[in-house]
Amino acid sequence: GNSVTQMEGPVTLSEEAFLTINCTYTATGYPSLFWYVQYPGEGLQLLLKATKADDKGSNKGFEATYRKETTSFHLEKGSVQVSDSAVYFCALNSGGSNYKLTFGKGTLLTVNP
Amino acid sequence: EAQVTQNPRYLITVTGKKLTVTCSQNMNHEYMSWYRQDPGLGLRQIYYSMNVEVTDKGDVPEGYKVSRKEKRNFPLILESPSPNQTSLYFCASSLLFLGGSNSPLHFGNGTRLTVT
Repeated sequence: GNSVTQMEGPVTLSEEAFLTINCTYTATGYPSLFWYVQYPGEGLQLLLKATKADDKGSNKGFEATYRKETTSFHLEKGSVQVSDSAVYFCALNSGGSNYKLTFGKGTLLTVNP
Repeated sequence: EAQVTQNPRYLITVTGKKLTVTCSQNMNHEYMSWYRQDPGLGLRQIYYSMNVEVTDKGDVPEGYKVSRKEKRNFPLILESPSPNQTSLYFCASSLLFLGGSNSPLHFGNGTRLTVT
């Protein structure tokens, strides 16, 4: 079955540091890949997505590239801010009759001023 | 404002006392789904619905029921709650679910349920 593995947290960074959160996946076919973000007390919001190999998703300074050869979709940001503190979830959907997102366990990011 | 609304936000109940968590969306979305979020397990799908009167089981449906009598509402029903159903629950909706192409999931703010 499908699965998503993302790096264990928590991750603590200083403001303006470089961020990488690793995500690898196992899936049949050619899945679509997503990063969702959950701010404290809120539901998840779509951060970015990529639907085919070598696509780069980007939003709010975050980027992730769909690497089929390494089955990875690592999240990066060049300079984090305190407001980026949240839980980040990598997710996939393998399409066809698969009507759900398969999520990783989430990575808590704390950015200190 | 486009949104998914869940109620209540917090609920404490006792084993065996039937409860319903409501979910409503105002975006005319066809697809709706329930997830539970548990520490170290991420989010797992409970049930989903492709449209009115069309529902199906997700990964962890045991102990839950749903109904989709109207497009905007998708309540989650726990007929006889047990302590292992203590969790954070999220309702989500999407215009269509075409393998996650251009229809992102919109999530509610969650319902924290405690069953004692």
